[in-house]
Amino acid sequence: EIVMTQSPATLSVSPGERATLSCRASQSVSSNLAWYQQKPGQAPRLLIYGASTRATGIPARFSGSGSGTEFTLTISSLQSEDFAVYYCQQYNNWPLYTFGQGTKLEIK
Amino acid sequence: EVQLVESGGGLVQPGGSLRLSCAASGFTFSSYWMSWVRQAPGKGLEWVANIKQDGSEKYYVDSVKGRFTISRDNAKNSLYLQMNSLRAEDTAVYYCAQGDDSRALGYWGQGTLVTVSS
Repeated sequence: EIVMTQSPATLSVSPGERATLSCRASQSVSSNLAWYQQKPGQAPRLLIYGASTRATGIPARFSGSGSGTEFTLTISSLQSEDFAVYYCQQYNNWPLYTFGQGTKLEIK
Repeated sequence: EVQLVESGGGLVQPGGSLRLSCAASGFTFSSYWMSWVRQAPGKGLEWVANIKQDGSEKYYVDSVKGRFTISRDNAKNSLYLQMNSLRAEDTAVYYCAQGDDSRALGYWGQGTLVTVSS
């Protein structure tokens, strides 16, 4: 089983600043990594797939990087609507999926 | 516009059964893998099950194997999750999601809440 570990659990950042979220896989998942955003009371939304490709309609301030076991989601200039919980997900052993435990991005 | 609408959640006693449904529209349902993902109250996301386009392949997380069954009816554009022998730890919001060409989950429903309690 591939275990996904996200850090930090909570990240406090001021609007307009950059946020960097990390995701680590217990074994290589190549570039088979997605990022999701979830706001309270809402379903998750796909942000990034293939580690670095933005999904349709996702603003350019969201970027993903990494491969193998280390991945990063960067939000270049935080907007008020970006404060949410972010999950990484591996699909290297698709059709089995594993999610990370999430990082809560909160307003500083 | 892609829409996924779950239904069938509710309160059930431990050991009981429940069948969730997901009505799909706005895309060619029979062309996509479909998934169920759950989220316990205040917790993270947990993938539950996947089903191939024609229903010939099904995969489950270990914790539900032998208790849950995923199925689909392409003629009705519907996805199902039959849940038997329910436990308190199955309490969660259950989402259906479409597996897109990238294999990520591109579209999600709004979820249906299942509560297992006596």
